[in-house]
Amino acid sequence: AQKVTQAQTEISVVEKEDVTLDCVYETRDTTYYLFWYKQPPSGELVFLIRRNSFDEQNEISGRYSWNFQKSTSSFNFTITASQVVDSAVYFCALNAGNNRKLIWGLGTSLAVNP
Amino acid sequence: KAGVTQTPRYLIKTRGQQVTLSCSPISGHRSVSWYQQTPGQGLQFLFEYFSETQRNKGNFPGRFSGRQFSNSRSEMNVSTLELGDSALYLCASSPKREWGTGELFFGEGSRLTVL
Repeated sequence: AQKVTQAQTEISVVEKEDVTLDCVYETRDTTYYLFWYKQPPSGELVFLIRRNSFDEQNEISGRYSWNFQKSTSSFNFTITASQVVDSAVYFCALNAGNNRKLIWGLGTSLAVNP
Repeated sequence: KAGVTQTPRYLIKTRGQQVTLSCSPISGHRSVSWYQQTPGQGLQFLFEYFSETQRNKGNFPGRFSGRQFSNSRSEMNVSTLELGDSALYLCASSPKREWGTGELFFGEGSRLTVL
């Protein structure tokens, strides 16, 4: 079975703190894709990153970085020097094998306080 | 370039009524998918359309239906509304049929409240 677990339901930090959002996935397929999306209060989900199972290279984009570790089935997301505008719900998602459906975690609500 | 447009943004219905939600994808995008988002269940896949054909369907009852038009615009319909249908309904589009492996572009959703 395929599953995505985001154990942190809510996180609250003070501006400029670093914060890591955890994502653990389950799949028996060797080919799969992992995603992170951001959902601000407006409701529109915004794509952040895609990673395929053959590319374990970590990625950094500005204040955002992602740590993909197949050994622990994790795809964690770190925001460095958080800002109030980072306040949103963040979703991790998985697409595996021939399944054309995305399997979503329940999301982590991040509140960055000034 | 205009984003994904969903209408209406908010609506209130009563049990037993039906509702139709509309989604206009980004120009040139031919794949449209629909999701239901609730606090308890999170994001759940409803269906996906490509070139007017339903390519995939989630585990929802037959009261939930959809269609896609030749201009790629899509509608979803929920008949005989139940209280549990209250949710944010999100539409997403993508340029290719490789939906599931590529980036999805989402609209802001239609928030349905069933009383």
